Order: sequence, then structure tokens, then C-alpha cells
Amino acid sequence: AQKVTQAQTEISVVEKEDVTLDCVYETRDTTYYLFWYKQPPSGELVFLIRRNSFDEQNEISGRYSWNFQKSTSSFNFTITASQVVDSAVYFCALSRYTDKLIFGTGTRLQVFP
Amino acid sequence: SQTIHQWPATLVQPVGSPLSLECTVEGTSNPNLYWYRQAAGRGLQLLFYSVGIGQISSEVPQNLSASRPQDRQFILSSKKLLLSDSGFYLCAWRDGQGYGYTFGSGTRLTVV
Repeated sequence: AQKVTQAQTEISVVEKEDVTLDCVYETRDTTYYLFWYKQPPSGELVFLIRRNSFDEQNEISGRYSWNFQKSTSSFNFTITASQVVDSAVYFCALSRYTDKLIFGTGTRLQVFP
Repeated sequence: SQTIHQWPATLVQPVGSPLSLECTVEGTSNPNLYWYRQAAGRGLQLLFYSVGIGQISSEVPQNLSASRPQDRQFILSSKKLLLSDSGFYLCAWRDGQGYGYTFGSGTRLTVV
């Protein structure tokens, strides 16, 4: 069975702090995809990143970076120098190559000025 | 380019009333389509998915049903709404390669 665990329900930081959102997944598949989505207060889901199971290279996009480690089944997301606009709920998700997207329960990030 | 439309954006319905939420996709053919629900303060739960016209798979037994009358149209329905049906409903489609999922803007349903 596939499962995604986001143990951090809510995180509060002050602007300019770095913050890491944890994601641990379970799957028996050798081919799978991992995702991160951002859900701002307006509700829509904003795609942030997709990573396939054969690509363990870390990725950096501006203030965002992702650390994929198959050895620990983790796909963590770090925001450097957080800003108030980063306040949102962040979801980690997993899918098989041709299957549905399984979400974690989400982490609510609050960035205070 | 591909776009996904979902409406209405907000809906308030009394208990026992019917429901019909519509989702349409443009710019692609034969997409996989999904309905997700997010209860207040909760994660996203997959309700239904469809790989083609008339093909519906249900993930969770519930008071809802889904239909796919056309290739790019996905409808979520209920004959009689319950209070527990309140939530944020999101439609999504997946590209043929399985790489990406695109979500609609969602419908916030409140059953009173």
C-alpha cells in the first residue's frame, strides 16, 4: 500500500527564518513520483515540484529546495529566508507511474513578520 | 495549452438537496480525471477517478457519485446531501505520461 506521512501539522516561523517541511513515504513500487503542492488561503493547489524515483538529485529553485533520499524514504522541502507570502498549507504526494495521487495530511506553515 | 475549469466556486445547499459539480478540461484528449475532497482542516481524499468515458472508479463508499458523459467532462453528484458532505472539492486531470497533475480552482460546498 502507498502512504505519505507529514508528521508536522503546523509550523510557525518568523520571517527570514529557514524552515524544513518533512515528508516520509511508503511504497513497494520501484517506479513512482513524488510531488509537493502549495495551498494558499484561496484554496487552489499550486504545483511546486515533481521528482521521479530514479532521480535522487537535490533540487533548488530560488528560495525552495528539496532533498530526496530513497534510503530513508523521505522527500523534504526547505524554504530559505521565509517570507509572509510563504504562509500556506503544503502537501506532499506520491503516485505510481500510471496511478492516482496519494496525499499526505499537509503541513500548515505560518510565517510571521 | 491545457486548462481545467471547475464550477461553481462556492455553494451553500440544504441537507437533503441534490448536488451537481462540473469539471471540464480543455486542450487535451482522453485525460485521467479525479475528484478530491478536503474536509475543513484536513488533507485531500480521493473520491473518484476516471480513465475514460463512462469509466468510474470509487475510492471511498459515500453519499456521492461521479459520471463522465464526455471525454473532457467529469461530474460529481449527490441525490441527497448530508452535513458531512461539506468540504472543498477539487477536480484534477493527469497528463498521458503520468508526470503531472493539474487541479481546478475548487468548489467550496457548505451543507446547512
